[in-house]
Amino acid sequence: EPEVTQTPSHQVTQMGQEVILRCVPISNHLYFYWYRQILGQKVEFLVSFYNNEISEKSEIFDDQFSVERPDGSNFTLKIRSTKLEDSAMYFCASVRGTSGTYEQYFGPGTRLTVT
Amino acid sequence: AQSVTQPDIHITVSEGASLELRCNYSYGATPYLFWYVQSPGQGLQLLLKYFSGDTLVQGIKGFEAEFKRSQSSFNLRKPSVHWSDAAEYFCAAYDNNAGNMLTFGGGTRLMVKP
Repeated sequence: EPEVTQTPSHQVTQMGQEVILRCVPISNHLYFYWYRQILGQKVEFLVSFYNNEISEKSEIFDDQFSVERPDGSNFTLKIRSTKLEDSAMYFCASVRGTSGTYEQYFGPGTRLTVT
Repeated sequence: AQSVTQPDIHITVSEGASLELRCNYSYGATPYLFWYVQSPGQGLQLLLKYFSGDTLVQGIKGFEAEFKRSQSSFNLRKPSVHWSDAAEYFCAAYDNNAGNMLTFGGGTRLMVKP
């Protein structure tokens, strides 16, 4: 069964450094998402991406964050200058279509630790 | 604002016992509803979903959920829990009119006693 993959599984970085989290969505999917889960808290939506542009973003997704689909397969989340509070598990998801009747497939996540 | 609430943060049940995990939603209209499971170190796996029609939906791993409009609830059930069911369970909702994303509840951590 096709699956969403994410790399790395764990990233440790120092405050102020840039990080790029990578995702490979399922190949025939059209919508891509990033969610995050701070330890002990709920999963929160960050951003959705469709047709090579941001479709929607949450208040969390400020100017420090950016997303890109640099080629036909990868989908990346960049944090320009990491803060301690960016430490979280980041999940990528992809979905075949726009309606909620399509299942969002989640990757295994990248645990980001900012020290 | 739209929200999903899971009132129970932790639940412990004995292996073989029945299970019910609660989920309530607050939306203007009935959203699409989902239950996901997250095992330690793993991503989110979809257990089941409700869009319309029959209010009792069957999912994978022997789980089912019942949608009750009058109570704005979508509780997850399993008649007999196995030790491998120990995980975190998330209820989520999707409303086309409220943005193209899932809104998650806070999760319920299930522990299974031998």
